[in-house]
Amino acid sequence: EDKVVQSPLSLVVHEGDTVTLNCSYEVTNFRSLLWYKQEKKAPTFLFMLTSSGIEKKSGRLSSILDKKELSSILNITATQTGDSAIYLCAPHRNAGGTSYGKLTFGQGTILTVHP
Amino acid sequence: DGGITQSPKYLFRKEGQNVTLSCEQNLNHDAMYWYRQDPGQGLRLIYYSQIVNDFQKGDIAEGYSVSREKKESFPLTVTSAQKNPTAFYLCASTRDSYGYTFGSGTRLTVV
Repeated sequence: EDKVVQSPLSLVVHEGDTVTLNCSYEVTNFRSLLWYKQEKKAPTFLFMLTSSGIEKKSGRLSSILDKKELSSILNITATQTGDSAIYLCAPHRNAGGTSYGKLTFGQGTILTVHP
Repeated sequence: DGGITQSPKYLFRKEGQNVTLSCEQNLNHDAMYWYRQDPGQGLRLIYYSQIVNDFQKGDIAEGYSVSREKKESFPLTVTSAQKNPTAFYLCASTRDSYGYTFGSGTRLTVV
């Protein structure tokens, strides 16, 4: 059975702080790991990681995958109130014998950034 | 603009009643997915379909049913057998191995 664990489950910080969110996974037929940000409704895509040790960056956000340790981290520097959201990691794996596969989501980290 | 439309945004169900949540996409995506999200939780896969007229159970399929008669549509029925249906339901689609697009969700409440 696939297993995805995110930590911490919730985090409260002040603007300007740096945060690190963790994701560990156990899935069969692993392809990649995706990070999403969910504010009110639909999750929005942040990163897709396929190779170990290669950092992906987008502004103040960055993420890296460690396939040996079956884990990933998401860093947010100089946090802003607009970063308040649920952050979801989702390993993507093969499923159903086609090319589409499926995502298994972790329970998410609720990040709250105070002014 | 292409996207996924879920309707209704809010839905109230009485005990013992079946309800159907709509999911329509005009992205020409082959694969579609239904997820359930409980408060403060991640998303759990209910059903998915990778081709018309075919679908597979996800991790929490009990009490739910789906159909995929058209590529654009993947409705989810929450049956009376689902004992705790109050949740936020998200539909997603993808054309390839990556790039999942999500709908805005339906919030279902049992009254």
